[in-house]
Amino acid sequence: RKEVEQDPGPFNVPEGATVAFNCTYSNSASQSFFWYRQDCRKEPKLLMSVYSSGNEDGRFTAQLNRASQYISLLIRDSKLSDSATYLCVVRAFYGGSQGNLIFGKGTKLSVKP
Amino acid sequence: NAGVTQTPKFRVLKTGQSMTLLCAQDMNHEYMYWYRQDPGMGLRLIHYSVGEGTTAKGEVPDGYNVSRLKKQNFLLGLESAAPSQTSVYFCASSFGNSNQPQHFGDGTRLSIL
Repeated sequence: RKEVEQDPGPFNVPEGATVAFNCTYSNSASQSFFWYRQDCRKEPKLLMSVYSSGNEDGRFTAQLNRASQYISLLIRDSKLSDSATYLCVVRAFYGGSQGNLIFGKGTKLSVKP
Repeated sequence: NAGVTQTPKFRVLKTGQSMTLLCAQDMNHEYMYWYRQDPGMGLRLIHYSVGEGTTAKGEVPDGYNVSRLKKQNFLLGLESAAPSQTSVYFCASSFGNSNQPQHFGDGTRLSIL
């Protein structure tokens, strides 16, 4: 059962490039969406929440398409420090559950000088 | 500013041994979670707790037990360790189950020989 699917990469890009990650989710009851970042051998950290109207945080833009059950993350002007694995995360409330997070396997980004 | 603290950070066990992983948070969060992360897999929820004295099963609960006797602590127990439980274990906490982010500890690397 693949509830959240991501391209595993790796994406190897030069500094300054624009890179986009895509994610699809299978549960139409999903209600909350996030992008987390995980550095090598470190814990995941919240990068940004994803809102229905799309949202931007500096160089990062997240988009949500509920009809297609698709989430994206765009990183502009890539920095070396952006090198990490990006996790697509959804929360679904169904069957009286408290709505736990479902994590994708992650997309690895490597930004080169 | 401790946040979420996990102990121990590393441990090697023999098959059949038991051990307890401790998670402590100082953010007064109601919700706490235990995940495992394996190569090529997303984070998977083992057990979680929505408040002191409560626990519930996640996606992969078999072989694990948990307790939440104090609000700030969430313990994960392995009664009889198996090689399949070799993994990186992450604890997380959050205020609730809405759009509040989960804050992760820095992980426990557990090897079962």
